[in-house]
Amino acid sequence: SQQGEEDPQALSIQEGENATMNCSYKTSINNLQWYRQNSGRGLVHLILIRSNEREKHSGRLRVTLDTSKKSSSLLITASRAADTASYFCATASPAGTALIFGKGTTLSVSS
Amino acid sequence: DTAVSQTPKYLVTQMGNDKSIKCEQNLGHDTMYWYKQDSKKFLKIMFSYNNKELIINETVPNRFSPKSPDKAHLNLHINSLELGDSAVYFCASMWENTGELFFGEGSRLTVL
Repeated sequence: SQQGEEDPQALSIQEGENATMNCSYKTSINNLQWYRQNSGRGLVHLILIRSNEREKHSGRLRVTLDTSKKSSSLLITASRAADTASYFCATASPAGTALIFGKGTTLSVSS
Repeated sequence: DTAVSQTPKYLVTQMGNDKSIKCEQNLGHDTMYWYKQDSKKFLKIMFSYNNKELIINETVPNRFSPKSPDKAHLNLHINSLELGDSAVYFCASMWENTGELFFGEGSRLTVL
């Protein structure tokens, strides 16, 4: 069964603006990960946040995690056209043997 | 060097045929996966192998058979292809330290 649900499904912004994507999940987790997928390519790992962390930064990326609400957000600051892609959150299955992905948010950044 | 490589990248075939997709990783990981991504970009786990042993087998028709000759390879064989099998199939390996997945570029299967 699906673990993560991203919101919004699609997001269109201008270069330089910030983009925020949200993810909700259902069961307890060890960590939550965000991945990017460019059109026609494989998924690429962006950032991992552990269940005992509340916020994490990596370059222009900021991830927050609220385990009480079972939700996470990914913020991309000062977006660029190259950030155009689909973004997925993923959590480990209850057995911890596989990552289960949400449906993704498609981000379009126009110049 | 490509970390996770899959072949072929594109596969077009007729219903009823049998086809295989190959996957190799040079990262030294013990665990490998097959995921199926449908036309709406939904990714579904199909199989997982750890050091050549099957550890996850989701509800997948038994027309799909994974094979792992060694821990660096995980191939997917599909018998009697159906229209609904059309999708992009991704191979991935996992870095056990963090659970981070490394994906191949995908194999787009089109069944006519």
